[in-house]
Amino acid sequence: AQSVTQLDSQVPVFEEAPVELRCNYSSSVSVYLFWYVQYPNQGLQLLLKYLSGSTLVKGINGFEAEFNKSQTSFHLRKPSVHISDTAEYFCAAWTGKLIFGQGTTLQVKP
Amino acid sequence: SQTIHQWPATLVQPVGSPLSLECTVEGTSNPNLYWYRQAAGRGLQLLFYSVGIGQISSEVPQNLSASRPQDRQFILSSKKLLLSDSGFYLCAWSRYGGSYGYTFGSGTRLTVV
Repeated sequence: AQSVTQLDSQVPVFEEAPVELRCNYSSSVSVYLFWYVQYPNQGLQLLLKYLSGSTLVKGINGFEAEFNKSQTSFHLRKPSVHISDTAEYFCAAWTGKLIFGQGTTLQVKP
Repeated sequence: SQTIHQWPATLVQPVGSPLSLECTVEGTSNPNLYWYRQAAGRGLQLLFYSVGIGQISSEVPQNLSASRPQDRQFILSSKKLLLSDSGFYLCAWSRYGGSYGYTFGSGTRLTVV
């Protein structure tokens, strides 16, 4: 069965510091991968997606992610975070249905 | 452009009362539609999905049901709410089966008291 694992439930970081949110997936077939962001009491907004092609994917708000097939990972990165990036981040994989990880809370401190 | 509407935004209901949450999509036809629940401290749980009018697939047996009376309308219902039904309910839609990702509504915060 397919699964998505987000390795950190919470990531505290200071403003303007770089951040990496980790995501691993398990699947015996090709997957499409996504990162979503959820601000408090709001729906999920798509940050970026990997369908095929270049393994480095750039998304909105300065985020990027790298697909690594050998390590079955799709980690999300931002070189310099802002207070406004404080939110819940979800990694997801699609192999017929969209399966979500448990989420990572990014806490950006001033 | 496509938009998804979900209402109400918040709802407080007593135990044993009925529930009806509505979701509509505009600007597309024959979308796949989904209901997710997000309980406190948990991830997203897929409850129901629909690939067409009257076609509902249930992912988790529970106190809830879903219906799709029109192409772009998806309704989540319950006859008698339980305390455990509290949570944040999200509707989503996709095209082409969802391989390009899902688009989510703004959610409904349900508190059962």
